[in-house]
Amino acid sequence: ETGVTQTPRHLVMGMTNKKSLKCEQHLGHNAMYWYKQSAKKPLELMFVYNFKEQTENNSVPSRFSPECPNSSHLFLHLHTLQPEDSALYLCASSQTGGLGQPQHFGDGTRLSIL
Amino acid sequence: AQKITQTQPGMFVQEKEAVTLDCTYDTSDPSYGLFWYKQPSSGEMIFLIYQGSYDQQNATEGRYSLNFQKARKSANLVISASQLGDSAMYFCAMREFNNAGNMLTFGGGTRLMVKP
Repeated sequence: ETGVTQTPRHLVMGMTNKKSLKCEQHLGHNAMYWYKQSAKKPLELMFVYNFKEQTENNSVPSRFSPECPNSSHLFLHLHTLQPEDSALYLCASSQTGGLGQPQHFGDGTRLSIL
Repeated sequence: AQKITQTQPGMFVQEKEAVTLDCTYDTSDPSYGLFWYKQPSSGEMIFLIYQGSYDQQNATEGRYSLNFQKARKSANLVISASQLGDSAMYFCAMREFNNAGNMLTFGGGTRLMVKP
């Protein structure tokens, strides 16, 4: 396996469900990110982890709860979501340090809230 | 104010022709980096090209080149010899040196459609 892998690719859930999105990177990177991409809106950064420590929470509602157990894995736990949370959720990873380090993205999880 | 502006929501180009996708940015940080990503309909974001604010030459990567005009704060992507597989959303993004963490700020994107 190479790159950044996200599971599941698609998820449909009710507003009262609890689910988790998973992201795994095989690139040896030490920073990981969650983004939200809604229709007709720019990509929104949600969370940043550097060396397993959360360094950025971009005013994300508490119904989204990230977890980074190690530098290769990142989770996004979902609970009591709202219809406006339907979106494509993208995970990315990068090396820290250096302006020119690109972020490498997974294929995303397309989330639909009923 | 928007940090990254992409003024072309959608563009058509004939196959085999060149196309320029516009990107302007706003920063007071003298040290920054600019990135272009491609997002096909499948969803993944593919890194294409990078330009640093202190780079003397315009970046090139195969059929992709970056027309970097620092004084105008623009970093337009040029795709030469367009192919049908180039049809996708294209995003310009910026990282500022003094920005905490490794955060990228993205523009709204341009949808490119290549006509056969």
